[in-house]
Amino acid sequence: EVQLVQSGAEVRKPGESLRISCKGSGYSFSNYWITWVRQMPGKGLEWMGRIDPSESYINYSPSFQGHVTFSVDKSISTAFLQWNSLRASDTAIYYCARQTTLATYGWVDPWGQGTLVTVSS
Amino acid sequence: SALTQPPSLSGAPGQRVTISCTGSSSNIGAGFPVHWYQQLPGTAPKLLIYGDANRPSGVPARFSGSKSGTSASLAISELQAEDEADYYCQSYDSSLSGALYVFGTGTKVTVL
Repeated sequence: EVQLVQSGAEVRKPGESLRISCKGSGYSFSNYWITWVRQMPGKGLEWMGRIDPSESYINYSPSFQGHVTFSVDKSISTAFLQWNSLRASDTAIYYCARQTTLATYGWVDPWGQGTLVTVSS
Repeated sequence: SALTQPPSLSGAPGQRVTISCTGSSSNIGAGFPVHWYQQLPGTAPKLLIYGDANRPSGVPARFSGSKSGTSASLAISELQAEDEADYYCQSYDSSLSGALYVFGTGTKVTVL
């Protein structure tokens, strides 16, 4: 079974750093882009960007570029989303999802269960 | 920018509801495929329709997708209680100033 399992909920103060993870299993991790999606409390889905685990190519949404960093560790089939200086407005659920290679401009499936990040002083 | 969906729709069990997803010439209107996701309360989104009108294995046939011009639609025929959820469309966007992929603003479907 193809599965993405994300790390648990985190609570941080503004200005602190954080790295959350997304571990893939049941498929060849290097062959599929990983997409990150933000969902702020009570709001819709926002595409943050994606990373190609095999070559580490990255596409960031302009809305997130410079504030977050994507990375991967192929040896443990895990993708990471990192902040160096969190803001209260980063409070949200963050999802990772696998992008299909079956078609260009393809869909994402499956999704991880989400990681709740709370930033509060 | 995000694709535009109606914030909410409702219907009685057994009725048909249709969710619209309006884009522009840089995404849906350019012919890029539209995908739909269902998010049940408190859960992660799940793929519902891919490539405009295709259902993944396990998705009931009462869900169908279509596209025309700069818009796409998701229809739920014979609405059931378990269909109460948020629904999002997604497409690729070729405008150089924005994100590569955009989601719709989301539609909350309520079963009366």
